[in-house]
Amino acid sequence: DQQVKQNSPSLSVQEGRISILNCDYTNSMFDYFLWYKKYPAEGPTFLISISSIKDKNEDGRFTVFLNKSAKHLSLHIVPSQPGDSAVYFCAFQGAQKLVFGQGTRLTINP
Amino acid sequence: EAGVAQSPRYKIIEKRQSVAFWCNPISGHATLYWYQQILGQGPKLLIQFQNNGVVDDSQLPKDRFSAERLKGVDSTLKIQPAKLEDSAVYLCASSLRHRGPNTGELFFGEGSRLTVL
Repeated sequence: DQQVKQNSPSLSVQEGRISILNCDYTNSMFDYFLWYKKYPAEGPTFLISISSIKDKNEDGRFTVFLNKSAKHLSLHIVPSQPGDSAVYFCAFQGAQKLVFGQGTRLTINP
Repeated sequence: EAGVAQSPRYKIIEKRQSVAFWCNPISGHATLYWYQQILGQGPKLLIQFQNNGVVDDSQLPKDRFSAERLKGVDSTLKIQPAKLEDSAVYLCASSLRHRGPNTGELFFGEGSRLTVL
């Protein structure tokens, strides 16, 4: 029973363009939605989050969108930079548990 | 501020052997988590401690995995005996609060990569 799905295992974007990462979920009881970023040989680091009562949260180049009716979460990075190349995990908080997606490897090309 | 410390970084063992991983969370963080990340997958929660009590161990294979958090600070995760499918990165994380806003924001260590041959 996979509650969280990141359907794109990889994404390649030109430097300066917008990167859009997507995540779908099935559990309506999630109350907090997060994005984590992971570089090789390092642990994931928190990037940005949004609560279930909002539909958008912005932090610099990063914006997270939540569409509750579609059960869809997305992360926009604009403009994309080479340092953004990493694996991105969406994560969903509910019932004191944090459930992670499978991850999307983002590559920013110069 | 020191981050979450884990050791060893890498471990190679043969199946049926045992292994132990150690984690020291960020000072003052009451909640500690062990996650298993298999290659190509997202982290999966194995066990969650609040101080030295277990909050959730529903996905811990208790026939071979055990974990403890003595005195509510450091934690160890043990696998005995190991199987081939245990090859993964074992991530320790900690958080300041168990409830309240941003409860999902965890601070992860660098992980311990286990290879079972």
